[in-house]
Amino acid sequence: KAGVTQTPRYLIKTRGQQVTLSCSPISGHRSVSWYQQTPGQGLQFLFEYFSETQRNKGNFPGRFSGRQFSNSRSEMNVSTLELGDSALYLCASSYLAGEGTDTQYFGPGTRLTVL
Amino acid sequence: QKEVEQDPGPLSVPEGAIVSLNCTYSNSAFQYFMWYRQYSRKGPELLMYTYSSGNKEDGRFTAQVDKSSKYISLFIRDSQPSDSATYLCAMNRIQGAQKLVFGQGTRLTINP
Repeated sequence: KAGVTQTPRYLIKTRGQQVTLSCSPISGHRSVSWYQQTPGQGLQFLFEYFSETQRNKGNFPGRFSGRQFSNSRSEMNVSTLELGDSALYLCASSYLAGEGTDTQYFGPGTRLTVL
Repeated sequence: QKEVEQDPGPLSVPEGAIVSLNCTYSNSAFQYFMWYRQYSRKGPELLMYTYSSGNKEDGRFTAQVDKSSKYISLFIRDSQPSDSATYLCAMNRIQGAQKLVFGQGTRLTINP
């Protein structure tokens, strides 16, 4: 099975712009979670989508948003970019059969640099 | 204070050494504990998952959970240069809930 894919892998934007990142989960996985990784704060949970609905949300401002499509692919959007948004954005997918704890499989991430 | 504390290192040991990585946590609601390994420019990959207190072994890796002390550990035996990576502990409150809380990560280097 192909792993989690994320596009683009690298992105450079300027302050005030907006950006959209894409994530394709492992085939058959219905849950997609997004995380932000920075040297100072480490890995922080952004939000999780399941069946096109946001089920969990982390402590990030409303500039961070996401959505999930019927094929489970997900996008996250950051509007009005700030320098502090520079980070590695990671997407993780899991099957969520409802029994047992479902392993989250991470993609390689999108490295966003805000200038 | 962060919910999960992990010494960021860096930690450098000779090949063949036993490595001990640790995390402490403050929230007793955490029930599920994981260790991820992250190589440079890659996403984290799951190494170990544990639920109850005690030890779980998988090859050269042993995960240990002490819920009474709110302390988890990962031991790596016969460490190899290929084990050089950042190791992240992660925790979850509810089974199936995909909202992991991560430690800062410990950067480990195994010297040949």
